[in-house]
Amino acid sequence: QEQVVESGGGLVKPGGSLRLSCVVSGFTFSDHSMHWIRQAPGKGLEWISYFSRSGGATYYADSVKGRFTISRDSLQNSLYLHMDNLRDDDTAVYYCARSAHYYYAIDVWGQGTAVIVS
Amino acid sequence: EIVLTQFPGTLSLSPGERATLSCRASQSLNSGHLAWYQQRPGQSPRLLIFAASSRPAGIPARFSGSVSGTDFTLTISRLEPEDFAVYYCHQYGNSPPFTFGPGTKVEVK
Repeated sequence: QEQVVESGGGLVKPGGSLRLSCVVSGFTFSDHSMHWIRQAPGKGLEWISYFSRSGGATYYADSVKGRFTISRDSLQNSLYLHMDNLRDDDTAVYYCARSAHYYYAIDVWGQGTAVIVS
Repeated sequence: EIVLTQFPGTLSLSPGERATLSCRASQSLNSGHLAWYQQRPGQSPRLLIFAASSRPAGIPARFSGSVSGTDFTLTISRLEPEDFAVYYCHQYGNSPPFTFGPGTKVEVK
C-alpha cells in the first residue's frame, strides 16, 4: 500500500524551530516529486514547499521562504521540513503529499501532523 | 502567481441533486494541470480529478470535470450522503507556487 506518514509536530514557542518528517512506503521514493501543504485551523489548503523527484529543484511559498527548508533522504525513504523562526500564523496541520509519477497531480496524502506555535 | 477563485463559497443541496462547482484561474494553465480534491471533516484531502477532466482509479463516475479556457468545473451528477464535504481546486502545472483555491463547501439543504 502506497502511503506517507508524517511526524514531528507539536507545541513550539514563537521564534522556535521544528523539524517535520515524512516516511514513505509502498512506492519508489525517487520516482516522485513531493510536497508539503498546510491547513490552518478552520481554513483552506496552502501549498508551501516542493521537492522534485530528481532532487534538482526545491520551491517555497513566499510565506515560508527563508524560514523553512525541504530536504529528502532517499536511503531513509524520508522527506523533511525544517522550520525556523516560527510564527503564530504557522499554526496548522502539515501534510506530506506525493505527486503522481505520470500525471503530476498530488495523489497520495498523509494524515497530517499538527504544529501549534504559541 | 496564479490565483484560483472558487464559487460559490457554499452550495446547499439535497441528496440526489446535481452539484456544479466552479474554479477560475487568473491565467492559462499548462496542459490543463488542474486537480480537484474532496476533504471531509477530520480527513485528509482525496484526489477526485486531475488534468481538468480525468478521474483516477476508484473515483466514482458521478464525479466529472471540464474546462473552458481558464474556467474549470467539477460536477457531481447525483449527490450521495458522503459527498457533503469541502472541495478544492489546485493548479500544479505552471511555475510555483502551486496554489489551491479557497474551497467550496457542499452542505445539506
